[in-house]
Amino acid sequence: DVKVTQSSRYLVKRTGEKVFLECVQDMDHENMFWYRQDPGLGLRLIYFSYDVKMKEKGDIPEGYSVSREKKERFSLILESASTNQTSMYLCASSQRQGARDEQYFGPGTRLTVT
Amino acid sequence: AQRVTQPEKLLSVFKGAPVELKCNYSYSGSPELFWYVQYSRQRLQLLLRHISRESIKGFTADLNKGETSFHLKKPFAQEEDSAMYYCALTEKTSYDKVIFGPGTSLSVIP
Repeated sequence: DVKVTQSSRYLVKRTGEKVFLECVQDMDHENMFWYRQDPGLGLRLIYFSYDVKMKEKGDIPEGYSVSREKKERFSLILESASTNQTSMYLCASSQRQGARDEQYFGPGTRLTVT
Repeated sequence: AQRVTQPEKLLSVFKGAPVELKCNYSYSGSPELFWYVQYSRQRLQLLLRHISRESIKGFTADLNKGETSFHLKKPFAQEEDSAMYYCALTEKTSYDKVIFGPGTSLSVIP
């Protein structure tokens, strides 16, 4: 059974804190993604990675950074959390088979910044 | 720029009635289109993709390039179809980037 796991389901942090969200996949997928999910806005891509140590900015990278030191792990970092980063964060992975492969999603991390 | 629009945020239908969730896209090339679904307290998952031309859980979706649409349809809605539905388009680059629409919340009334 394919598996994408995220380190926390719920997280509460204070403004200004550095926040780490971890994602691990066990499918040997090349591609990994971080999205935030907000009502009425759908899923917006923050960053993605198509290989170890490689990263590309998505549509809303400001205030975020990522790290991919191992193929199975993709970390999202909020350098200095702000209240407008309160959201549901979804991690996903896919094989690099061109554009036709589905994305497999983790359960999500609901982050609240106070 | 590539975009996916879903004009309805909320859609309510009665059980047994037909349902259609609309999706329109703008894309300069030949798109790869998907529908993803998220049931309550479950993770987002693929429902169907246009390239497969398949029917999943009674749902079908036809790509209409002339109207740039990929509407999701089911002839008889069931209560278990209540969920959030996202239309998605994949850019044909080497990076497999996916663009999601804003989503439609479907509620099937018993």
